Amino acid sequence: NAGVTQTPKFQVLKTGQSMTLQCAQDMNHNSMYWYRQDPGMGLRLIYYSASEGTTDKGEVPNGYNVSRLNKREFSLRLESAAPSQTSVYFCASSEIRMVSNQPQHFGDGTRLSIL
Amino acid sequence: TQLLEQSPQFLSIQEGENLTVYCNSSSVFSSLQWYRQEPGEGPVLLVTVVTGGEVKKLKRLTFQFGDARKDSSLHITAAQPGDTGLYLCAGDPNDYKLSFGAGTTVTVRA
Repeated sequence: NAGVTQTPKFQVLKTGQSMTLQCAQDMNHNSMYWYRQDPGMGLRLIYYSASEGTTDKGEVPNGYNVSRLNKREFSLRLESAAPSQTSVYFCASSEIRMVSNQPQHFGDGTRLSIL
Repeated sequence: TQLLEQSPQFLSIQEGENLTVYCNSSSVFSSLQWYRQEPGEGPVLLVTVVTGGEVKKLKRLTFQFGDARKDSSLHITAAQPGDTGLYLCAGDPNDYKLSFGAGTTVTVRA
């Protein structure tokens, strides 16, 4: 069972470069999320997609854009990378948007370094 | 400021000892979730507590939800090296987005 698959696993960028992080889930979940994880700060929500065709900002959306390509795929784009965006990025999915009682299933993360 | 405060931030104990991790907030939550994250992997859900005062057991792990639904604790009995990891609590303060605590890093030495 693949669950949530993220690519790439590691990436090094130079300041100002752009890139897209890919995420796909095979659990037929309606909702998908992008988080960043930094030391001492836990997981912070960047963007989420409650259902196919919708996206909304989370806690820290500045500098990022997202696309819900279809029900399975949710990508995160950095248009002009900055050193402050060095982090570990996690994609997650859940069956429905109502988070109470709904477990989120996470990928293994993308470790992104921006020089 | 974190909506959910976890303590301690780090915990290192010997195999066989007991430990407790705390998750506190000034907000009321309809439910709280506990996740464990191992190095190089994403968080994995351990349990969801829903009712104030609820106690759930998962083998040697005991989870408690406070009566006022503002706090939770995780107690591990006779810890083993396999319990090593980052423990995260998470809750939805009624805005349909999950908020995570910063986590407690637990190291169990053999």
